[in-house]
Amino acid sequence: IAGITQAPTSQILAAGRRMTLRCTQDMRHNAMYWYRQDLGLGLRLIHYSNTAGTTGKGEVPDGYSVSRANTDDFPLTLASAVPSQTSVYFCASSEGGMNTGELFFGEGSRLTVL
Amino acid sequence: GQNIDQPTEMTATEGAIVQINCTYQTSGFNGLFWYQQHAGEAPTFLSYNVLDGLEEKGRFSSFLSRSKGYSYLLLKELQMKDSASYLCAVDDSNYQLIWGAGTKLIIKP
Repeated sequence: IAGITQAPTSQILAAGRRMTLRCTQDMRHNAMYWYRQDLGLGLRLIHYSNTAGTTGKGEVPDGYSVSRANTDDFPLTLASAVPSQTSVYFCASSEGGMNTGELFFGEGSRLTVL
Repeated sequence: GQNIDQPTEMTATEGAIVQINCTYQTSGFNGLFWYQQHAGEAPTFLSYNVLDGLEEKGRFSSFLSRSKGYSYLLLKELQMKDSASYLCAVDDSNYQLIWGAGTKLIIKP
């Protein structure tokens, strides 16, 4: 069982380019999340989805968009990347609804915007 | 505002015991989580406390005092593989997880 798979593992991107980070889970979890992790800061929620077909904004949503067309996939798109979006991005899921119980994380996508 | 405080870094010796503290101020409370994160890897779940007291799970224990807004993670019989960051997170009962910045634990032989 793979759990949560993220791609790419790392990417260097020119400012202004569009980028989509992919996230797929095989656990049939209802809720999915995108976090960014920056040095010295706690994980910050970008967007979340309680169930397929619904999405919501987290703490730092500006510059990012998500979609949840089905249970398994939850891609994160940066429409026009900026250097402040340089970060490590983690996709996560939980079996129940929003933040109920243990979160399962993907291995992360390290993004550098130049 | 909502806030979680943890020490930035701690050092301990292999075989010893270490206690990592977490204090929180949140608008609500519906449980506290501890996660372990090795460098360059994903966070993994360690424990969940919603009632006051100590939860023991092998070498790791987690304690909660809701009245004091305080939790700690206790690691016994430290091993080199315990070198990692330990993240404290609080469910504020408003469907939000508030995360601390994490405590980097360095284990020395």
